[in-house]
Amino acid sequence: ILNVEQSPQSLHVQEGDSTNFTCSFPSSNFYALHWYRWETAKSPEALFVMTLNGDEKKKGRISATLNTKEGYSYLYIKGSQPEDSATYLCAFMGSSNTGKLIFGQGTTLQVKP
Amino acid sequence: DGGITQSPKYLFRKEGQNVTLSCEQNLNHDAMYWYRQDPGQGLRLIYYSQIVNDFQKGDIAEGYSVSREKKESFPLTVTSAQKNPTAFYLCASKVEETQYFGPGTRLLVL
Repeated sequence: ILNVEQSPQSLHVQEGDSTNFTCSFPSSNFYALHWYRWETAKSPEALFVMTLNGDEKKKGRISATLNTKEGYSYLYIKGSQPEDSATYLCAFMGSSNTGKLIFGQGTTLQVKP
Repeated sequence: DGGITQSPKYLFRKEGQNVTLSCEQNLNHDAMYWYRQDPGQGLRLIYYSQIVNDFQKGDIAEGYSVSREKKESFPLTVTSAQKNPTAFYLCASKVEETQYFGPGTRLLVL
């Protein structure tokens, strides 16, 4: 059974703090690693799709890195704002053409003003 | 507006009853997916369909059934065989590598 683990499970930070969290995934049969942001009462929204070892992607204050050899990805948020409060999901896609994703349980971030 | 719609937002099921959750998309995506979310767990794949008239079981298909008669629609039926149906259900469609999610349906058992 393929396992995707995210840590920490939850995080409380002050506005302006920078923060990061981790996604661990199988290092074999890797095709892609996805990050989603899921705000309360909304649909999960795609942040990044990463495929290459060493890849780094950025969207505003949010960035992500990927290490496929050791099976981990980091998500960084610089200068957290209250609107960053959400659950951040990572999902592993193995080397198949089905598009099947295996999700971690998520990291819930709360940013206090 | 293009997007994915799910209905209803809340659904109540009586003991022994089948219920159907609707998922519609007007994004012209071929692939569609159904996930279930339980507290403290990641989204788990129930069924997926890569093309009209074809679908495959995901990791937790027991007690569920689907159909894919039209590209736009991928309804999920929760049958009486699903003994623990209380959960939040998300539908998604995919283009290239990205999945786009609907707003979800919360199913509760009376």
